[in-house]
Amino acid sequence: DTGVSQDPRHKITKRGQNVTFRCDPISEHNRLYWYRQTLGQGPEFLTYFQNEAQLEKSRLLSDRFSAERPKGSFSTLEIQRTEQGDSAMYLCATNGGTDTQYFGPGTRLTVL
Amino acid sequence: GESVGLHLPTLSVQEGDNSIINCAYSNSASDYFIWYKQESGKGPQFIIDIRSNMDKRQGQRVTVLLNKTVKHLSLQIAATQPGDSAVYFCAEIESSGNTGKLIFGQGTTLQVKP
Repeated sequence: DTGVSQDPRHKITKRGQNVTFRCDPISEHNRLYWYRQTLGQGPEFLTYFQNEAQLEKSRLLSDRFSAERPKGSFSTLEIQRTEQGDSAMYLCATNGGTDTQYFGPGTRLTVL
Repeated sequence: GESVGLHLPTLSVQEGDNSIINCAYSNSASDYFIWYKQESGKGPQFIIDIRSNMDKRQGQRVTVLLNKTVKHLSLQIAATQPGDSAVYFCAEIESSGNTGKLIFGQGTTLQVKP
């Protein structure tokens, strides 16, 4: 257990529905990252927060995706109008000033 | 069960043997590298890291080697155990960039035979 928690661990939804995932970082870790991982591949960067500021978004993050980190603590990732291609593991990682990132257990999304 | 230099998607070794997992990275400006272990249904778990000013770093039963000339990393696991069975990923960071985002390489599935 790295100390990074994610909720829910699994989510099954129908195409077109909205889903929201939550990440709780290690306490006082000011950097938070979201990644997406599809089967058989390594995680791919989606977006990054330094405290409450979202500083970079990957081109993988279409306009159906939005992420927030109010107050610089927990973060949420919302996907609107889900598509089958959104099915993946969504991973959150945090670090506290070093380069080492610690990952949460992920949220497995299945879009039917 | 060793493979040197070549990335293999799957590596099968006998329990007790040494394992070598290889990775090629893409960005010559990357200066920090991490090996992660990922078990089924779990997030990546930090194993060991190395900065570009080093060519070797040792941990408990694990050693990472870095060859910047050919942009190659390897992870050596001594006396491989069944609990080492997982997918292993290398990741790189260009620390001078603003984000510190990780760029992951191809994973290698390590299978340990009892």
